[in-house]
Amino acid sequence: QVQLVQSGAEVKKPGASVKVSCKASGYTFTGYYMHWVRQAPGQGLEWMGWINPNSGATNYAQKFQGRVTMTRDTSVSTAYMDLSRLRSDDTAVFYCASPQGDGSGFFWGQGTLVTVSS
Amino acid sequence: SYELTQPSSVSVSPGQTARITCSGDVLAKKYARWFQQKPGQAPVLVIYKDSERPSGIPERFSGSSSGTTVTLTISGAQVEDEADYYCYSAADNNRGVFGGGTKLTVL
Repeated sequence: QVQLVQSGAEVKKPGASVKVSCKASGYTFTGYYMHWVRQAPGQGLEWMGWINPNSGATNYAQKFQGRVTMTRDTSVSTAYMDLSRLRSDDTAVFYCASPQGDGSGFFWGQGTLVTVSS
Repeated sequence: SYELTQPSSVSVSPGQTARITCSGDVLAKKYARWFQQKPGQAPVLVIYKDSERPSGIPERFSGSSSGTTVTLTISGAQVEDEADYYCYSAADNNRGVFGGGTKLTVL
């Protein structure tokens, strides 16, 4: 079965960077895009971007351009999301998610809480 | 525009029909998905391609589309359907966009 397992919670200081990983299993990693979604406490879902694990091509939301970098390592079926110049309002749960098949599958990681605090 | 607009809240009694709308220009050209999210959990896909239901999703969940508006309908809503619901679509530049979310109360 498809599983996306994310790295653990992080606490960062303002101005620092965070790198969240998402390890995929149960399917061909290079076959489907990986998206990243942010959810601040008590707020809605916010699309951040995607990476094509096959080619490495990326597409970022304008809001995160210049601060986010999505990469992948196909040898370990893992996608990464790096967010730099963190601010307190970046405190959120970050999810990786993979739409698959004809759209009938949309699999999510368990989420990674990133807390930005001085 | 690349925005999707949803009502902030919808409230129904158990057994009633709940309807949640999502409006945005992109919906005239792109399919929508609907996600259900319960507190402390990752979202779950309940509708894709405007009106298709993934396996395992109860038949009381349905979707429809008309012009720039899509609607999620829960026929005979149950207490366990109480959750936040988000519509999602992709713009022409293949960038995703979520609606602001609707809190469904069933009581």
